[in-house]
Amino acid sequence: EDQVTQSPEALRLQEGESSSLNCSYTVSGLRGLFWYRQDPGKGPEFLFTLYSAGEEKEKERLKATLTKKESFLHITAPKPEDSATYLCAVQARRTSYDKVIFGPGTSLSVIP
Amino acid sequence: DAGVIQSPRHEVTEMGQEVTLRCKPISGHDYLFWYRQTMMRGLELLIYFNNNVPIDDSGMPEDRFSAKMPNASFSTLKIQPSEPRDSAVYFCASSPRRDRGLSNQPQHFGDGTRLSIL
Repeated sequence: EDQVTQSPEALRLQEGESSSLNCSYTVSGLRGLFWYRQDPGKGPEFLFTLYSAGEEKEKERLKATLTKKESFLHITAPKPEDSATYLCAVQARRTSYDKVIFGPGTSLSVIP
Repeated sequence: DAGVIQSPRHEVTEMGQEVTLRCKPISGHDYLFWYRQTMMRGLELLIYFNNNVPIDDSGMPEDRFSAKMPNASFSTLKIQPSEPRDSAVYFCASSPRRDRGLSNQPQHFGDGTRLSIL
């Protein structure tokens, strides 16, 4: 069964304290992995797409990496405005269409 | 550019009433998705359309839920009759046509409709 899990469920960091969020997946036929950021009362906002193991993407203080079983979102020297819920989603190959499966998310709080 | 537009932003209604949620996707996007988000179950895909045609509705919880896309710029999600367990935030998202080489495009989400069924 296709599955996406994220850890930790919640993470509290001091401003400037770097860390990583994990997204583990078991799907047949990975077509792509997406990272989103969601602020309270808002819809998820797209951050990155990763397609194959070994690929990396960067945006400001965020860097996403992908292996065959998991993806990491590294946050370097976070600021309070990085506080949000981070969701990963996996697009899995099906016979005639692709299915998108979202993980439960990691709630990140960055304390000044 | 205008993003995905959903209405209403908030809906409070009594059990048994019909609820209609509306979505205007980003112009030119070929795919439209309806999701439901709760604390317990996270973000769940309900149904998605490609070029106005429903492709996968396996996530629709039961016959009380129905979705339509009469044209490329409008979609509705209807619940009739509504029940308290339908209370959630409902999101609409759209994405562009897939490129030949890279077949996956990210989804762009609206800000959701917060639905409360009393």
